[in-house]
Amino acid sequence: EPEVTQTPSHQVTQMGQEVILRCVPISNHLYFYWYRQILGQKVEFLVSFYNNEISEKSEIFDDQFSVERPDGSNFTLKIRSTKLEDSAMYFCASSKEQGKNTEAFFGQGTRLTVV
Amino acid sequence: AQKITQTQPGMFVQEKEAVTLDCTYDTSDPSYGLFWYKQPSSGEMIFLIYQGSYDQQNATEGRYSLNFQKARKSANLVISASQLGDSAMYFCAMREGEGSNYKLTFGKGTLLTVNP
Repeated sequence: EPEVTQTPSHQVTQMGQEVILRCVPISNHLYFYWYRQILGQKVEFLVSFYNNEISEKSEIFDDQFSVERPDGSNFTLKIRSTKLEDSAMYFCASSKEQGKNTEAFFGQGTRLTVV
Repeated sequence: AQKITQTQPGMFVQEKEAVTLDCTYDTSDPSYGLFWYKQPSSGEMIFLIYQGSYDQQNATEGRYSLNFQKARKSANLVISASQLGDSAMYFCAMREGEGSNYKLTFGKGTLLTVNP
């Protein structure tokens, strides 16, 4: 069964360093998302991406964040200068269609630890 | 105001029994979708079941069913015949509105523990 894959599963980085989280969405999906889950808290929307541009972003998604789909298969989230509060599980998700009844398929997540 | 409210931080159930996980939502949009996801201790998010606001019947998927009460704005997840592998965090989520790009808004989750 097709699935969303994320790499790495766990990343530790020094505060102030740049990190890139990678995702390979399901191949025939067109809508891509990043969500974040701080330990013990709920999952929060970061950004949605369609047709090679950001569709919507939350207030969390400030200038330190960027997304890219560099080669038609990978979908990346970059954090330019990490802060301690960026430590969280980051989930990539994709949907085949756009609609309220379309489920998003999630990757297994990347646990980012900023030290 | 919270869009998705899950009032049960934790629930316990005996193996083979049924359990109901509560979810209430808040929206003024007549068209919306409600979802439940399971998050085991390994961390991944697993889609379980979906209910559309215009669906006439409650959704069912195997041992999962959704008790949808539109007037009360509740979408409780019922797990029948609980198994040890059902122990996990369960999140209720909603998609609503036009122009919101159908992002999911999640509740805080309920940690379900199935006892042998």
